[in-house]
Amino acid sequence: DTEVTQTPKHLVMGMTNKKSLKCEQHMGHRAMYWYKQKAKKPPELMFVYSYEKLSINESVPSRFSPECPNSSLLNLHLHALQPEDSALYLCASSPQGSGYGYTFGSGTRLTVV
Amino acid sequence: KQEVTQIPAALSVPEGENLVLNCSFTDSAIYNLQWFRQDPGKGLTSLLLIQSSQREQTSGRLNASLDKSSGRSTLYIAASQPGDSATYLCAVDWTGNQFYFGTGTSLTVIP
Repeated sequence: DTEVTQTPKHLVMGMTNKKSLKCEQHMGHRAMYWYKQKAKKPPELMFVYSYEKLSINESVPSRFSPECPNSSLLNLHLHALQPEDSALYLCASSPQGSGYGYTFGSGTRLTVV
Repeated sequence: KQEVTQIPAALSVPEGENLVLNCSFTDSAIYNLQWFRQDPGKGLTSLLLIQSSQREQTSGRLNASLDKSSGRSTLYIAASQPGDSATYLCAVDWTGNQFYFGTGTSLTVIP
């Protein structure tokens, strides 16, 4: 298995809803990442997990809450989002660090209404 | 501030043409550089990874080069095809655990 799987592919949520994005890999990678990408912009790093511990938080608002329950799974919990949070959320993984490159999932297209 | 710049922002070429995409970065002390392809509304597909000790990598019709001293990388696409139409992103890692992305080059190959 050489893929990063993200679910759901599309999500529409209201500003008072609570939802979660899921990312899974079975490549034995020990680093996992969440990126946010707005239309026609490059991906921007949100969080980095290394060996299931949060190692980087790029000053992301607390309405985004990451979780890494085990080495294969990464979640992003969403609560009280704003319409400007609508974006493509991308998950990536790597063996450890960038030395072997990143593998990205296909993303979750989030729309906040 | 560490930045990654890609020029041109958009490029349109006829099918069969060879082309070069450019990536420049502000600090030459990089760990790794990775080129990605992104189709509209989709995730990123890895094309080539160049580690800091390497000068180039090749995969099929693609060749990526790295010149750290000048802060540049190029992606060469030979014999372009309409299926190559996509946005190409360059990503640079200065710390060993965090890629920074350029703004991308949107490529259109005209049949």
